[in-house]
Amino acid sequence: DGGITQSPKYLFRKEGQNVTLSCEQNLNHDAMYWYRQDPGQGLRLIYYSQIVNDFQKGDIAEGYSVSREKKESFPLTVTSAQKNPTAFYLCASNDREPGGPQHFGPGTRLTVL
Amino acid sequence: AQRVTQPEKLLSVFKGAPVELKCNYSYSGSPELFWYVQYSRQRLQLLLRHISRESIKGFTADLNKGETSFHLKKPFAQEEDSAMYYCALRGLGTGRRALTFGSGTRLQVQP
Repeated sequence: DGGITQSPKYLFRKEGQNVTLSCEQNLNHDAMYWYRQDPGQGLRLIYYSQIVNDFQKGDIAEGYSVSREKKESFPLTVTSAQKNPTAFYLCASNDREPGGPQHFGPGTRLTVL
Repeated sequence: AQRVTQPEKLLSVFKGAPVELKCNYSYSGSPELFWYVQYSRQRLQLLLRHISRESIKGFTADLNKGETSFHLKKPFAQEEDSAMYYCALRGLGTGRRALTFGSGTRLQVQP
């Protein structure tokens, strides 16, 4: 689904550093989401945004922050407060259609050294 | 609260055998159910959603509200079906559009 791009594909971070993961979509979708994927645990919701300049915490928001200044962009910052940040991070979006499915980006694999 | 359970981490079958990937959910309202698939080195993509009641790549899934299940079925497995499969739920008509995912089942189709 080329409409959602994430960068970088791989990211390495030293302990104590903040890093920002990029997510951009050109699908004109209002809603955007960040999930974390860990082996054996499926995908867990970090943050989501239904509309520009608004966002809500998901199920595992501690140690993360987001912004939604533009419709097409929803960057995720992994802060030093996140105790176990090594994971695969997925961004998704969908429109307001009631049955509209979510479209996913290719993901960013973050490794803390 | 909403919860999705996929009891099998791994399902291994031979080519041509029937496949059933189990999914049970817990949700107090009206749910929307989805199946997503992730092939090796590809992004997560939608396979099925219960609203459309369509068959994709030979897979079907029926929402059973009495048993709170949305099992994924295919009568004859193919090697190219080998992938990670996730069942997901969201509340129909609710403000929260985010999905709740199960832990996933890896399907291995052996030749």
